[in-house]
Amino acid sequence: GQNIDQPTEMTATEGAIVQINCTYQTSGFNGLFWYQQHAGEAPTFLSYNVLDGLEEKGRFSSFLSRSKGYSYLLLKELQMKDSASYLCAVRDSNYQLIWGAGTKLIIKP
Amino acid sequence: IAGITQAPTSQILAAGRRMTLRCTQDMRHNAMYWYRQDLGLGLRLIHYSNTAGTTGKGEVPDGYSVSRANTDDFPLTLASAVPSQTSVYFCASSPVAGDTNEQFFGPGTRLTVL
Repeated sequence: GQNIDQPTEMTATEGAIVQINCTYQTSGFNGLFWYQQHAGEAPTFLSYNVLDGLEEKGRFSSFLSRSKGYSYLLLKELQMKDSASYLCAVRDSNYQLIWGAGTKLIIKP
Repeated sequence: IAGITQAPTSQILAAGRRMTLRCTQDMRHNAMYWYRQDLGLGLRLIHYSNTAGTTGKGEVPDGYSVSRANTDDFPLTLASAVPSQTSVYFCASSPVAGDTNEQFFGPGTRLTVL
């Protein structure tokens, strides 16, 4: 079966750095996405990785290791507005997205 | 403003009733998707459409049907609602199915079936 694993919840302090991990087992791999979802709102796109390595975009970076079936999202200089759920999704061999359940990130002052 | 709209925002429905959730996008995207999101679970694909005139089944299609008569609209119909269909429903679109582009999501419809 196909499986995406992420921690259910994480807590971090404003101004700090947090790393959210995602491991996956899917039938084929055609890219990995990270989305942010604030409570009661729609998911919004953060990053896309298809090759191994680090993609940096401002305060957010995403890393991929295809051989390990592993990715992480790194958030730097945390702000209160970063409190949200972070969703990991893998595009499988049928080009459909398989979604993890999301990691709820709580930022404390 | 370009984007995806969904209607209604929320709905309480009696079991056994028929319901259509509406989704419209003005970005001229070819591919559209319907997901449901339940607490503790990832988004699950119900149905998708790679282009106008075609549809396909996702992971959890039972009890749902879709149509794609034109590029902009992708309605989702529950023929006879059941309580297990209580969920938040998101419509999404992407420029082309299967490429590197991300999916853009509508604001969601919160459906409660009693």
